[in-house]
Amino acid sequence: QVQLVQSGAEVKKPGASAKVSCKASGYTSTTYDIYWVRQAPGQRLEWMGWINAANGKIKYSQKFQGRVTITRDTSASTASMEVSSLTSEDTAVYYCASSRGHFYGMDVWGQGTTVTVSS
Amino acid sequence: DIQMTQSPSTLSASVGDRVTITCRASQSISTWLAWYQQKPGKAPNLLIYKASSLESGVPSRFSGSGSGTEFTLTISSLQPDDFATYYCQQYHTYWTFGQGTRVEIK
Repeated sequence: QVQLVQSGAEVKKPGASAKVSCKASGYTSTTYDIYWVRQAPGQRLEWMGWINAANGKIKYSQKFQGRVTITRDTSASTASMEVSSLTSEDTAVYYCASSRGHFYGMDVWGQGTTVTVSS
Repeated sequence: DIQMTQSPSTLSASVGDRVTITCRASQSISTWLAWYQQKPGKAPNLLIYKASSLESGVPSRFSGSGSGTEFTLTISSLQPDDFATYYCQQYHTYWTFGQGTRVEIK
């Protein structure tokens, strides 16, 4: 059974960076695309970036380009997402999700990681 | 960017009711639309993909329809476990979500 397990909650000061990891089990991370999505309190879900499993290429949402870095460690079946220059507006739950194919949407989700930015 | 707009934002219903949620895209997305259910403190859960295909394990009371710019999610007979927030998502051009529809107990 495919499962994504994320790292634990973080509290950061403004200007700092936060890194969230996402470990896949039940399949190899080179088989499934990985997405990063965030949800600020009371807000809609927001796509941040995507790793194309077929070629390893990474695409960022224009909103986060230059401030978010997504990486993948295939040997550890782990993907990571780092957000820099944090502000209070980055306080959110960050999710990784995967897809067994673009046709299917995001069919497996991690449990979510809360990042709180506070001075 | 493709914008997604859901209506209504909140829906009050009773167990057994037929419930319909609408999602509109700012431009045609063919049938590249998914529906998710989210409960408080939990990750979203995929219900419907490609506008009308039911994800494995999802009860058959959920159904989706539409193409182009207008889509609907229908719950044929609302059950206690269905009180949650529902999001549509387009994946025609990258990914964007609707603002959500909260289904609450009447």
